[in-house]
Amino acid sequence: DGGITQSPKYLFRKEGQNVTLSCEQNLNHDAMYWYRQDPGQGLRLIYYSQIVNDFQKGDIAEGYSVSREKKESFPLTVTSAQKNPTAFYLCASSIVPSGYNEQFFGPGTRLTVL
Amino acid sequence: GNSVTQMEGPVTLSEEAFLTINCTYTATGYPSLFWYVQYPGEGLQLLLKATKADDKGSNKGFEATYRKETTSFHLEKGSVQVSDSAVYFCALSVDGGSQGNLIFGKGTKLSVKP
Repeated sequence: DGGITQSPKYLFRKEGQNVTLSCEQNLNHDAMYWYRQDPGQGLRLIYYSQIVNDFQKGDIAEGYSVSREKKESFPLTVTSAQKNPTAFYLCASSIVPSGYNEQFFGPGTRLTVL
Repeated sequence: GNSVTQMEGPVTLSEEAFLTINCTYTATGYPSLFWYVQYPGEGLQLLLKATKADDKGSNKGFEATYRKETTSFHLEKGSVQVSDSAVYFCALSVDGGSQGNLIFGKGTKLSVKP
């Protein structure tokens, strides 16, 4: 089955530690996205990538980093510089980076900082 | 700038009641409009979409019509079921610029009681 996988589903981190969230897709999509979801605030864009080896900051990129070395993979690193990292993180992809195309979402990773 | 405003929840209905969730938008250019649904603990799934004015998106008994004159995309269903309990997000995407990026409303939680 084609789709997007995110791992792990739950992640706990101590303050001051970096942590990397995995996102893999086998849909052959060019574009990939990372969103952060907080209660009552909808989804906010962290980073997006329209093509391999290229990515752009979204609205709340501070304290996060990404890489796009392969078409199917777009890992997100939450660094110790992120002041309030506890949230639900969603990865998405679309066929091409066009406003007409829907985005497909993974199941999400819930990160808790202890 | 581009933004989406949707009615605040939570919305609680009895089974077989009529559902309306209001969504209005502000956008430069000609946006595509989407409704996504999120079931507890999961990622988002596309429910329906419309890419131009007067288009009607429909799926699983849900409908929404792209109204350019009122900049609205209200979600409706004639008879809700308990299984429709979820959070519903209205979103827009404008082609060009940050291509393909979705801008989300804050979400409306729907609870359907038997």
